[in-house]
Amino acid sequence: DGGITQSPKYLFRKEGQNVTLSCEQNLNHDAMYWYRQDPGQGLRLIYYSQIVNDFQKGDIAEGYSVSREKKESFPLTVTSAQKNPTAFYLCASSRHPGTQNTGELFFGEGSRLTVL
Amino acid sequence: SQQGEEDPQALSIQEGENATMNCSYKTSINNLQWYRQNSGRGLVHLILIRSNEREKHSGRLRVTLDTSKKSSSLLITASRAADTASYFCATDEPRLGSARQLTFGSGTQLTVLP
Repeated sequence: DGGITQSPKYLFRKEGQNVTLSCEQNLNHDAMYWYRQDPGQGLRLIYYSQIVNDFQKGDIAEGYSVSREKKESFPLTVTSAQKNPTAFYLCASSRHPGTQNTGELFFGEGSRLTVL
Repeated sequence: SQQGEEDPQALSIQEGENATMNCSYKTSINNLQWYRQNSGRGLVHLILIRSNEREKHSGRLRVTLDTSKKSSSLLITASRAADTASYFCATDEPRLGSARQLTFGSGTQLTVLP
């Protein structure tokens, strides 16, 4: 079945450690996104990529890094520079890069990161 | 930036009743989308309405868009307990480099009581 797979579903991290969240899609979508969701709140855009080997910062990119070496993969690294990393992280993809008209987003099931 | 804002923040109704959620936004848009999120899960796309459309239907869902008031509403008719979830509106807004990206509101938590 086509879709987006995020792993791990739950992750615990000690302060000062970097962690990488995986996101893989087999929908052949060009655009991929990372969002952060805090309890009772909406989604905030961390990074997005419209094409392989290219990505742009979203609204809250500080303390995060990404790469887009393959069309199907868009991993997110939460670095030790991120002051409050405990959150629910959602990866998404879309068929259209969003240059003129943003289409439907397809989401993974999320990764919940807890800093101990 | 928070483009769309939903109202109310929480809504509790009896099974069979209709549920109405509203969304207001600030800048010009090409389209507005509604998503659903079950607790602890990813978001699922429900419906997209373009800026030149005023109303759209999908099954028990009805979405309206008023660009003059910069507002949208989502109506769920004949609600079921399985409709219990958070509902988010999302608007596309221009970003640096001309790419438009979705901005999500903070959501309405809908509880449908059996």
